Amino acid sequence: DAGVTQSPTHLIKTRGQQVTLRCSPKSGHDTVSWYQQALGQGPQFIFQYYEEEERQRGNFPDRFSGHQFPNYSSELNVNALLLGDSALYLCASSWTGMTEAFFGQGTRLTVV
Amino acid sequence: AQKVTQAQTEISVVEKEDVTLDCVYETRDTTYYLFWYKQPPSGELVFLIRRNSFDEQNEISGRYSWNFQKSTSSFNFTITASQVVDSAVYFCALSEVTRSGGGADGLTFGKGTHLIIQP
Repeated sequence: DAGVTQSPTHLIKTRGQQVTLRCSPKSGHDTVSWYQQALGQGPQFIFQYYEEEERQRGNFPDRFSGHQFPNYSSELNVNALLLGDSALYLCASSWTGMTEAFFGQGTRLTVV
Repeated sequence: AQKVTQAQTEISVVEKEDVTLDCVYETRDTTYYLFWYKQPPSGELVFLIRRNSFDEQNEISGRYSWNFQKSTSSFNFTITASQVVDSAVYFCALSEVTRSGGGADGLTFGKGTHLIIQP
């Protein structure tokens, strides 16, 4: 049983560009959350998707948007990249009624 | 607003010593969940434990134990007889119970404690 998988593993982008990160949840999970983890910091909650809708959102600007597909996989889009967007982006999945989330290995985004 | 504080940035001990990682939280909610996650160098966060706000029983799992004290808003984690493989960054996290349907709510994490176990 595959766990949470994220792609790509590493990514380098230029300031001002747009980026899309992808996440496939653990089998049977229907809820996907995204987190941003800057170097030396704890993860910060970006948003969560359930039933293809954004259900909950953290304190992130509108440049951060997402999508959930009917197969529960999800994308995180970031527009107009800033140097400060450089971080490890973590995806977590869970299922209805479950309070703990399972994380993928993350996508390391570097903005230059 | 929720907040999780892990005051210990880094702890270094010699193998086989016991070590306690501190976690203090703030929330206005009466119902919430507390978690501990382990992050090895690979980056993936590994779930260790979940505790409900209405269950103050301490828990032991092998060499790991957790002490939840609602009166002091603390949820501390102790590793007994530490091993080199315990070296990692450990995060304490909090989530509120605000929604019906769907899975786990968004988590508020502390900044983490980097635990170094020396052989």
